[in-house]
Amino acid sequence: GENVEQHPSTLSVQEGDSAVIKCTYSDSASNYFPWYKQELGKGPQLIIDIRSNVGEKKDQRIAVTLNKTAKHFSLHITETQPEDSAVYFCAASGTDSWGKLQFGAGTQVVVTP
Amino acid sequence: NAGVTQTPKFQVLKTGQSMTLQCAQDMNHNSMYWYRQDPGMGLRLIYYSASEGTTDKGEVPNGYNVSRLNKREFSLRLESAAPSQTSVYFCASMDLRGGREQFFGPGTRLTVL
Repeated sequence: GENVEQHPSTLSVQEGDSAVIKCTYSDSASNYFPWYKQELGKGPQLIIDIRSNVGEKKDQRIAVTLNKTAKHFSLHITETQPEDSAVYFCAASGTDSWGKLQFGAGTQVVVTP
Repeated sequence: NAGVTQTPKFQVLKTGQSMTLQCAQDMNHNSMYWYRQDPGMGLRLIYYSASEGTTDKGEVPNGYNVSRLNKREFSLRLESAAPSQTSVYFCASMDLRGGREQFFGPGTRLTVL
């Protein structure tokens, strides 16, 4: 089955700096790669996703890149703000998986003013 | 729209006791999922229901049972709770015909003594 590895497990950045989280996946059939943000005491919420036919996607300060050959994808947050502090999860899914997601272990991001 | 709701929010059980975690969604989604979240391990899929009337095992189904009561509701049952089932449980729903985003509930924090 699919295996997703996520690094780093914790990330501390100064407000205004950029943050990068990297994930690798094992199943070449995976074609959907979402990123979820989880604030303390809440359920995860989708912030951005990318499909295998696209190499990069941006949404304001957030961007995701995908390298299918190397089987890795990354989340980039620019101009970080204190409200970006949360746990971020990457995930992978295939077309025939009935929407099942394989999650990475998560990255705790702390943005210090 | 309440989205995905879960009850209870917190629960403490003794080893061997049973309980049912309830989940409901009001978005008319056909697919529903149960995950558990443990420190350093991300979210792991317990069971899922691709559509009303069907349920299937996920990555960690042992010790759990599920019921897809109707299109809105998907319950998770622990027949004989064990300390290893101490975790935070999340329910999610998705429209398989839509954009593949999973919507998560607020979670149930379960402690088994």
